[in-house]
Amino acid sequence: EDKVVQSPLSLVVHEGDTVTLNCSYEVTNFRSLLWYKQEKKAPTFLFMLTSSGIEKKSGRLSSILDKKELFSILNITATQTGDSAVYLCAVGTGAQKLVFGQGTRLTINP
Amino acid sequence: DAGVTQSPTHLIKTRGQQVTLRCSPISGHKSVSWYQQVLGQGPQFIFQYYEKEERGRGNFPDRFSARQFPNYSSELNVNALLLGDSALYLCASSFGTISGNTIYFGEGSWLTVV
Repeated sequence: EDKVVQSPLSLVVHEGDTVTLNCSYEVTNFRSLLWYKQEKKAPTFLFMLTSSGIEKKSGRLSSILDKKELFSILNITATQTGDSAVYLCAVGTGAQKLVFGQGTRLTINP
Repeated sequence: DAGVTQSPTHLIKTRGQQVTLRCSPISGHKSVSWYQQVLGQGPQFIFQYYEKEERGRGNFPDRFSARQFPNYSSELNVNALLLGDSALYLCASSFGTISGNTIYFGEGSWLTVV
């Protein structure tokens, strides 16, 4: 059975801290790994990773994929209160579906 | 450009009733997928349609059905509603299939079954 596990499930930090969110997976026929930010309703796309070892960056956020060890990390530097959200990791499979983890609830305190 | 649009945004139904949720993908996108998100959990895959054909189906009972229209919009139907069907239903669109295509989500339809 396809599985995506995120850790930690919940994280509380102070504004300005750096955080690392983890995502490990076991799926049949891996196609891609995607990160989303969910604040209220719609998950907002952050990154799509398909190749190992290539870091993707967008402002204070960055992510990297390790296809040998089957995991990805999402880093957020100099966190701001607006970064508070649930971060979802999803793996795209050959069965044409995204398999999601449970999410990491990130809270940034001022 | 408009993103993925879904309707209705909120609805309340009684056990045993039927519901239809609608989704319009981003212009130019040919693939639509449906996901169910129960509070506190990640979304669960229900269906994927590409070029009007079902290409993937998740582990949901036959009470759940969907279709995609010639203009690539889609409907999700749920019959004989149960209390456990209460959830956020998300529609996602992409240009093509899963491989190498970014997948964008709509705001979702909140379904409450009482």
